[in-house]
Amino acid sequence: EAQVTQNPRYLITVTGKKLTVTCSQNMNHEYMSWYRQDPGLGLRQIYYSMNVEVTDKGDVPEGYKVSRKEKRNFPLILESPSPNQTSLYFCASSLYSPSTGELFFGEGSRLTVL
Amino acid sequence: GNSVTQMEGPVTLSEEAFLTINCTYTATGYPSLFWYVQYPGEGLQLLLKATKADDKGSNKGFEATYRKETTSFHLEKGSVQVSDSAVYFCALRGSGAGSYQLTFGKGTKLSVIP
Repeated sequence: EAQVTQNPRYLITVTGKKLTVTCSQNMNHEYMSWYRQDPGLGLRQIYYSMNVEVTDKGDVPEGYKVSRKEKRNFPLILESPSPNQTSLYFCASSLYSPSTGELFFGEGSRLTVL
Repeated sequence: GNSVTQMEGPVTLSEEAFLTINCTYTATGYPSLFWYVQYPGEGLQLLLKATKADDKGSNKGFEATYRKETTSFHLEKGSVQVSDSAVYFCALRGSGAGSYQLTFGKGTKLSVIP
């Protein structure tokens, strides 16, 4: 089954404790992206990657890191999480750039930073 | 930069009522426009799209027409069902250098009651 898989789905952590949210897709997509969803703000893009070893900042990259060492994986790293990073995070992928808008989303990872 | 403005929610309708969710955009060039839907507890899914002016996207009884003269892409459905209860996001993909990103509206929550 074609899918984007995120882990963990739910996480409660404390300020400053490094964490990684993994994202994996099995569709051989070149483009991958991370979004955060907050009430009243909708979805905002954090980082995206056009292909292996190619990443770029989205609209809200501060406090986040990403890497794209393999085509299928695009982990989101919070080196020192803070409470304002409490949010619902979505990973998404598409075959190339989202030129057709055919972004495929994971089910989301709900992160709480205390 | 590009931006998308959606009508504020939540919207509550009775089953079989007519639905309109307004969406207007600001962009340079020739953007492509999309509607995504997020069912409770899930990631976003592409609902429909239109890639040039006067195009009509349609799916599952939903329709939206790309109106360049009014910079709008309103979502409509003639008779909603309880199963249509979800959050709906209007999105825009810019042209040229902006074609690698989708800009989302803030989302409109629809609740359909029997």
